[in-house]
Amino acid sequence: AQKVTQAQTEISVVEKEDVTLDCVYETRDTTYYLFWYKQPPSGELVFLIRRNSFDEQNEISGRYSWNFQKSTSSFNFTITASQVVDSAVYFCALISGNEKLTFGTGTRLTIIP
Amino acid sequence: GAGVSQTPSNKVTEKGKYVELRCDPISGHTALYWYRQSLGQGPEFLIYFQGTGAADDSGLPNDRFFAVRPEGSVSTLKIQRTERGDSAVYLCASSPLGRTDTQYFGPGTRLTVL
Repeated sequence: AQKVTQAQTEISVVEKEDVTLDCVYETRDTTYYLFWYKQPPSGELVFLIRRNSFDEQNEISGRYSWNFQKSTSSFNFTITASQVVDSAVYFCALISGNEKLTFGTGTRLTIIP
Repeated sequence: GAGVSQTPSNKVTEKGKYVELRCDPISGHTALYWYRQSLGQGPEFLIYFQGTGAADDSGLPNDRFFAVRPEGSVSTLKIQRTERGDSAVYLCASSPLGRTDTQYFGPGTRLTVL
């Protein structure tokens, strides 16, 4: 079985602040894939990143960065210099073995202008 | 190129009626998935097609739910004898090859059963 935990239900920050969204995962498989998706108020899930279990390098894409740490089973997502357009629900997801893609319950991020 | 499209965007029906939800995946994607998302929750897996066949239908909640993909492209999710508990957003996704590829999602169909 696999599991994804996003303990932060809601986060609010003032525009231009940095914010980190936490994701902790559980799997018995050594090969697995982690994802982050953004769901803005329009409702469509937007793909942000895919990371396999053998690549622990942190990734940066513009204002977005991801910290993958196998030792703590975490795949955290940081937004630097947040903007109002970053307001959305963010989902972390995991697939491993013969399982299906499993999502966390999401973190609702509100950026206050 | 075009993304995943779903029709209708909204569907309101009465308890006991039959509904069909359509998904048109990204061209060339062999894998197609259906998910259901309830308010405040993450998407929950329903069924996965590889080509024309259902490779994994373990997420379908009961035998009122059925999905087809007869030509390996467009898929239809069919719900018989709808119940109020079926109200949710139904999401479709596609990926180039298999389950571990990135899945690209459509805008969803919001189903309301009165």
